[in-house]
Amino acid sequence: ILNVEQSPQSLHVQEGDSTNFTCSFPSSNFYALHWYRWETAKSPEALFVMTLNGDEKKKGRISATLNTKEGYSYLYIKGSQPEDSATYLCAFRSGAGSYQLTFGKGTKLSVIP
Amino acid sequence: EAQVTQNPRYLITVTGKKLTVTCSQNMNHEYMSWYRQDPGLGLRQIYYSMNVEVTDKGDVPEGYKVSRKEKRNFPLILESPSPNQTSLYFCASSLSGGGGNTEAFFGQGTRLTVV
Repeated sequence: ILNVEQSPQSLHVQEGDSTNFTCSFPSSNFYALHWYRWETAKSPEALFVMTLNGDEKKKGRISATLNTKEGYSYLYIKGSQPEDSATYLCAFRSGAGSYQLTFGKGTKLSVIP
Repeated sequence: EAQVTQNPRYLITVTGKKLTVTCSQNMNHEYMSWYRQDPGLGLRQIYYSMNVEVTDKGDVPEGYKVSRKEKRNFPLILESPSPNQTSLYFCASSLSGGGGNTEAFFGQGTRLTVV
């Protein structure tokens, strides 16, 4: 079972603050890295799928970077809003012959108005 | 509307009584998978399917079966449910057969309780 770690486990920020969190994954046999946003009582929804070292993706106030050589990805939220409160999941897909998507345990973000 | 539909949303059953959770997608996706979500453990993959008649085990396959007779459907079967299978289950699908470089679309979830 592959090891995908997310930190911190949870985070409280004030409305308007910018924040970031980390996803660490194996640095060998990289194929793809996904980010999902999961609101309480809903289903996870995709934010980004990243496949190339150095990739940077942006969607509104949320952006992500990828470093496959050292095995980490950062998710940034600029000017957090209460509606950003959710659990953010990353998922790693190895290129080593398996077709599994391995999820981290998530970072739970709470934005305080 | 493009979607992944799971049924039922909620189910309480007794130990040993066979059950099936259905999953259907209308996006012509090749890759489908089942996950369970337990507190403190995150989403763990149970089974996945690359295409019709092609299935493989994920990280926690024990006690589960799947089938992929049609592209759109991927049912999860619990032949003899036990209390340790009480969990929140998600079905997901994605376009590519590799399941890696395209986003996954998730169903609404099925909360299963086995007593």
